[in-house]
Amino acid sequence: KNEVEQSPQNLTAQEGEFITINCSYSVGISALHWLQQHPGGGIVSLFMLSSGKKKHGRLIATINIQEKHSSLHITASHPRDSAVYICAVRIIKTAGNKLTFGGGTRVLVKP
Amino acid sequence: GAVVSQHPSRVICKSGTSVKIECRSLDFQATTMFWYRQFPKQSLMLMATSNEGSKATYEQGVEKDKFLINHASLTLSTLTVTSAHPEDSSFYICSARSLGQGALRETQYFGPGTRLLVL
Repeated sequence: KNEVEQSPQNLTAQEGEFITINCSYSVGISALHWLQQHPGGGIVSLFMLSSGKKKHGRLIATINIQEKHSSLHITASHPRDSAVYICAVRIIKTAGNKLTFGGGTRVLVKP
Repeated sequence: GAVVSQHPSRVICKSGTSVKIECRSLDFQATTMFWYRQFPKQSLMLMATSNEGSKATYEQGVEKDKFLINHASLTLSTLTVTSAHPEDSSFYICSARSLGQGALRETQYFGPGTRLLVL
């Protein structure tokens, strides 16, 4: 079993719909990242969380440390949100501040 | 805007040649940079952690003599794929860790990636 699991693996939504992507992890972490990878390959760091909730534009990320779970929400989704969203965690006591990645969620927003 | 750059963005080379990929942090000093490899429709796989002024730390299964990493300054790390073979064809991504200096928040910033095709 992977230490970081994302669901769903694939998601198709109509423009304007509310999207939720989930990330569960099985280890103690010091931080959790949500990343966005566009079809061209470039990766953008959306959020880094260690507790609570963060909001940036139409994106909201939450984390529940006790339940070892984080969600990324996209409100009023748009075709330009189509990308792969990756959850990555920094495991406590991991040397070198390495990140452990989930498998990604491929999101397609149709107009 | 992008704070980590990679060069080249795309490279095609012949089998047996060596290819150097550069990763630069543009707006901050990065004592630690990471090199990842990504195969199509798969997640990122950490290859090595590059620390300025010291030897890189390689992940299990990654040949250090095959993938040479140099982190000579606080803004530049290079990955050289030596004697490249077709199976080395992949998407290589670097990231740099910012400690939250100035306007930058503490996080990892990722480069745009380098697509390598070995013929």
